[in-house]
Order: sequence, then structure tokens, then C-alpha cells
Amino acid sequence: SAVISQKPSRDICQRGTSLTIQCQVDSQVTMMFWYRQQPGQSLTLIATANQGSEATYESGFVIDKFPISRPNLTFSTLTVSNMSPEDSSIYLCSVSTGVGQPQHFGDGTRLSIL
Amino acid sequence: QKEVEQNSGPLSVPEGAIASLNCTYSDRGSQSFFWYRQYSGKSPELIMFIYSNGDKEDGRFTAQLNKASQYVSLLIRDSQPSDSATYLCAVPKAAGNKLTFGGGTRVLVKP
Repeated sequence: SAVISQKPSRDICQRGTSLTIQCQVDSQVTMMFWYRQQPGQSLTLIATANQGSEATYESGFVIDKFPISRPNLTFSTLTVSNMSPEDSSIYLCSVSTGVGQPQHFGDGTRLSIL
Repeated sequence: QKEVEQNSGPLSVPEGAIASLNCTYSDRGSQSFFWYRQYSGKSPELIMFIYSNGDKEDGRFTAQLNKASQYVSLLIRDSQPSDSATYLCAVPKAAGNKLTFGGGTRVLVKP
């Protein structure tokens, strides 16, 4: 399967600031997704990153808070904006080669907000 | 009713025994089903996927799917301490590839 590099692996940030997380894949993939995993919880989909167009957000997530870019088929970024302690989570990107195919995850970004 | 439901556990099994994990889903249109293993502090790792009714075996893992009853299960045979992890059931929404995850079942294998 594809090699997925996500960075940073962890960060500690001040409230009110923003952080951009990068996800790089070593091969072209059809689909890229961003998830959040809050402490002790399962994964929740934030959005689907669409190549060359605006991301598709899930209920409860908005572009102003989580802007996403996907300039090509191997790279995407997620920005967590105006962070508050409630944003302390693990953020994960995943990739898939098509509908019905499994998703594979990057190593995640562990984010703590002070 | 949650879209994907799992017993949170912990499921404690002795080393060498069979661990049996269950997952139920609500969307009758779902066509594919995935099991992920997640070690503490790590990202989810795909261990099994199944598309058709019946059993699918891969090494010590067996996935079982029953679409009529809307459940999918995972059996871990000859459980090892290294199998201690949280197991996540994931089901794509019928209209696309967006995964809905169950809450996960924590498995503890005791030597």
C-alpha cells in the first residue's frame, strides 16, 4: 500500500493560533480524507479533500475552522484555525484508491492546545 | 441507533484462546466492511476487509459477514499478547467511500 507521511507528528500550540498539518503520499491516490480522534474516542471524519476544488465537510465541521487544500493527487493540508483546548486531538489523514477500497492512514498528528 | 456499533470492552482473553468481536451497522446498502487494529498511541492499521456474505480468513484472523442481519464479526485465533489493542469496525456510507467507525473494542490478551 501507499506510504503516507504526515507532519508534524505532534505539536503544542497556544490558543488562538493556527497550525497546518501536511499529508504526503508516495503515489497518486483518488481519495484523501481527514479525521479527528479525540482522547479515548473513535475516529470522526472531518472532510473529504477534493483535488482542485473545495473540500466536502461533514456535519459539525466548517471550512473557516478547518480549511483544507489538495493541490494534486499526492498532497493535502489541513489547517486547524483559531485553536482552543477543545481542539486537542489526534488528526489523521487517510487515502484510498477508489470507492469501496480500504483506506490507509498516516501516522497522525497529536495536537495539544494550552 | 448508531450507524456502527461495537461493544467497547475490554474483552479479556487468555493467551491462545479465540477472541470474538462483533459489529452491527444500520445502512443496509453498505457493501464493504473493514476491520482496523489500533495500538495505543498509533494510527489505525487495516487488518481485514470483507465484501461478501460468509467467512474470509487471513492467517489468524477471520472476518464473518451477514448482510441480512447487518453484522460483521472478527475472530482472532490463538490470541497473543501482541494482539492487545483496540479493534475498530468501519463501514463506508452506501453513496461513497466515507468511513463511519464504530467506537472500537479494546482487547486484552493475558499471558
